[in-house]
Amino acid sequence: DGGITQSPKYLFRKEGQNVTLSCEQNLNHDAMYWYRQDPGQGLRLIYYSQIVNDFQKGDIAEGYSVSREKKESFPLTVTSAQKNPTAFYLCASSAGTGPSGNTIYFGEGSWLTVV
Amino acid sequence: GQNIDQPTEMTATEGAIVQINCTYQTSGFNGLFWYQQHAGEAPTFLSYNVLDGLEEKGRFSSFLSRSKGYSYLLLKELQMKDSASYLCAVRVLPLSGGSYIPTFGRGTSLIVHP
Repeated sequence: DGGITQSPKYLFRKEGQNVTLSCEQNLNHDAMYWYRQDPGQGLRLIYYSQIVNDFQKGDIAEGYSVSREKKESFPLTVTSAQKNPTAFYLCASSAGTGPSGNTIYFGEGSWLTVV
Repeated sequence: GQNIDQPTEMTATEGAIVQINCTYQTSGFNGLFWYQQHAGEAPTFLSYNVLDGLEEKGRFSSFLSRSKGYSYLLLKELQMKDSASYLCAVRVLPLSGGSYIPTFGRGTSLIVHP
């Protein structure tokens, strides 16, 4: 089945550690996104990528980094510079980011907790 | 900047009809999405409106008025499983140009009771 796979589902990070969240899609989508969701809040955009080897900062990119070496993969690293990383992280993809309507589809999400 | 407003919480009775409103103030508007999100799960796509009018899909309908910056999601014959958060997202083109990126509202938590 086509879809977006995120791993791990649950992750615990110690203070000062970097952690990487995996996101893989087999939908042949060009665009991929990372959103963060805090309890009772909406989704805030961290980074997005329109095409392989290209990515752009979203509204809350500080303390995060990404790469897009393959079309299928868009991993997110939460660095030690991110002071409040405990949240629900959602990876998403869409066919593109042009003017034609392109629905965003989401992975199952990853819960990150700082211990 | 972009501003998207939704009520924080709504309650309704099983079998009833509920309307969830979304107002927005954005530039470069290119469509509005509605997503459903159950607690601890990923959002799932419900509807997309880019032209004015009503789109009906089973028990769910979505309406858009671009001139008023207004949309609503209408849920009919409510079921207990409809208890979830409903997210309004507006697809906008940044002033700096580039890509059409969905910007999400805070979501409306709908509680359906017997």
